[in-house]
Amino acid sequence: GAGVSQSPRYKVAKRGQDVALRCDPISGHVSLFWYQQALGQGPEFLTYFQNEAQLDKSGLPSDRFFAERPEGSVSTLKIQRTQQEDSAVYLCASSPLAATDTQYFGPGTRLTVL
Amino acid sequence: GNSVTQMEGPVTLSEEAFLTINCTYTATGYPSLFWYVQYPGEGLQLLLKATKADDKGSNKGFEATYRKETTSFHLEKGSVQVSDSAVYFCALGLSSGSARQLTFGSGTQLTVLP
Repeated sequence: GAGVSQSPRYKVAKRGQDVALRCDPISGHVSLFWYQQALGQGPEFLTYFQNEAQLDKSGLPSDRFFAERPEGSVSTLKIQRTQQEDSAVYLCASSPLAATDTQYFGPGTRLTVL
Repeated sequence: GNSVTQMEGPVTLSEEAFLTINCTYTATGYPSLFWYVQYPGEGLQLLLKATKADDKGSNKGFEATYRKETTSFHLEKGSVQVSDSAVYFCALGLSSGSARQLTFGSGTQLTVLP
């Protein structure tokens, strides 16, 4: 079936605005991850869900970042009062089982904060 | 903490040349090791993986061997093609809440010239 999809693909926000980024994982995948990728760097872990439960949010950089996955499928990453340092590509990945190694990545959302 | 150090790029090779991209890691416990590839305009794709010491991962002519004694997972290909031009990321995975969040290196840009 379809892979992981993310929307929007590009988002421009003025500093101080709130944004919401959506991830549609592969159908039936239990695990969902969010990563942040700064320009020229590798992705960095933000948070992890197993079904609807957020089991690890240790990578969220501040309390302005919030993620949810209320029905265990679609997930939303919300950033409140955006700052310029939030500019990055936000990647979503899903995997079929809780203990599996392979994560399947979406194309990412490129966020630019002006 | 856990970290991955990759050979800095960019790397430019002629078609049919031999490729090595170095990767070393620091980790607590027994990580799985991965190489992901990001083609222009596309999302991250798993290229190959190894889950324990001395395992060799291989795919599309690329190989990497999990060397615990040198904490390395170098990527090699005997004869590169123009279509291999991409950014390559080395990553390690450790269990976290029954799933494996990934820690990535900073990526190596490979350009193959005809």
